[in-house]
Amino acid sequence: KAGVTQTPRYLIKTRGQQVTLSCSPISGHRSVSWYQQTPGQGLQFLFEYFSETQRNKGNFPGRFSGRQFSNSRSEMNVSTLELGDSALYLCASSLGQGGYTEAFFGQGTRLTVV
Amino acid sequence: SQQGEEDPQALSIQEGENATMNCSYKTSINNLQWYRQNSGRGLVHLILIRSNEREKHSGRLRVTLDTSKKSSSLLITASRAADTASYFCATDYGGTALIFGKGTTLSVSS
Repeated sequence: KAGVTQTPRYLIKTRGQQVTLSCSPISGHRSVSWYQQTPGQGLQFLFEYFSETQRNKGNFPGRFSGRQFSNSRSEMNVSTLELGDSALYLCASSLGQGGYTEAFFGQGTRLTVV
Repeated sequence: SQQGEEDPQALSIQEGENATMNCSYKTSINNLQWYRQNSGRGLVHLILIRSNEREKHSGRLRVTLDTSKKSSSLLITASRAADTASYFCATDYGGTALIFGKGTTLSVSS
């Protein structure tokens, strides 16, 4: 069974640009969550999607958005990039809605904003 | 915002010793989970303990949960160098999200 796949693995962007990250969950999983990890703030919850609906959202500005497709694949978008957006972005999938069952994480996308 | 808070922030031990990490959280939960992360990579699920359970074992891992004190502990027995990693506790938040603490960095030297 294939694990959670995140693409790309590494990304370098310039301040002001926008970026789209992709996550393919484990087959059969309907819940996808996104997290931002930085040395200073740790793992911060961004949002969770379940059956194409955003179920919960963390405390991030509107520049951070996401969506989930009918095949459960998910994308997150960050517009008008800032230096502080440099981080490891992790995607996790689970069978049920987040928190009730174990989450399976991808290897992450390391975004560097210069 | 962080729901869980791990303690200590860092722990250094010798191979063969036991490692204990603690987690405190703020609001009532349905379950608590522990994850491991090796240097800059994805997280790996270790164990899930439900709010009506007090203790759970998995191999060399033992997790306890005290809902009256809103705290949990993870014990790794007979530590190995391969256990070197960051360990996070995570709790459900409103039943729709998994919220993580800042983690404990464990270093096991041979």
